Amino acid sequence: AQSVTQLDSQVPVFEEAPVELRCNYSSSVSVYLFWYVQYPNQGLQLLLKYLSGSTLVESINGFEAEFNKSQTSFHLRKPSVHISDTAEYFCAVRATGGFKTIFGAGTRLFVKA
Amino acid sequence: EPEVTQTPSHQVTQMGQEVILRCVPISNHLYFYWYRQILGQKVEFLVSFYNNEISEKSEIFDDQFSVERPDGSNFTLKIRSTKLEDSAMYFCASSEGLGSNQPQHFGDGTRLSIL
Repeated sequence: AQSVTQLDSQVPVFEEAPVELRCNYSSSVSVYLFWYVQYPNQGLQLLLKYLSGSTLVESINGFEAEFNKSQTSFHLRKPSVHISDTAEYFCAVRATGGFKTIFGAGTRLFVKA
Repeated sequence: EPEVTQTPSHQVTQMGQEVILRCVPISNHLYFYWYRQILGQKVEFLVSFYNNEISEKSEIFDDQFSVERPDGSNFTLKIRSTKLEDSAMYFCASSEGLGSNQPQHFGDGTRLSIL
């Protein structure tokens, strides 16, 4: 079985400041890792994914996440956030060969002017 | 960009009644999923569906629930004899092909309120 822990339920940050949203997972088998973003009154949108290869993955809007197998982490970072980044961010895992995605509890990022 | 669409956006139903939540997955996708999110809690997997069969389901997905692909485009979740604790946001998702590395694309959800 897999589980995901997002250590921060809320992260307030000023505009143009850097941010890191933490995610740790546990699994007895190999997993794929994902970050999803949910804007108010909308569904879950895939932000980025780690399947294999380079441990650093990037999204088109400046977010990046690094897979660290020894620390079982997949933290999400952005060097400079915008007001429009305000949303809930979910870390998720899926066992290789499985179809069930396990989500963390979410981190609400609140970007202040 | 093609997207998963869900209807209705909000459904209010009396306890004990049956409800059907509807989803239109992305047209060339082969795998379909339902998840739910009770207010303030995690997004939870309910069921995955492929080739007109359930491929995996969680312990939440008991006999009260059923899924169906009645035609070539719709994918439905039926909840029989609804309970207060079924109140949640229900998300449909679909993925393109075989392989658990395929990203799942989510709809905007249906908010189900049981009175």
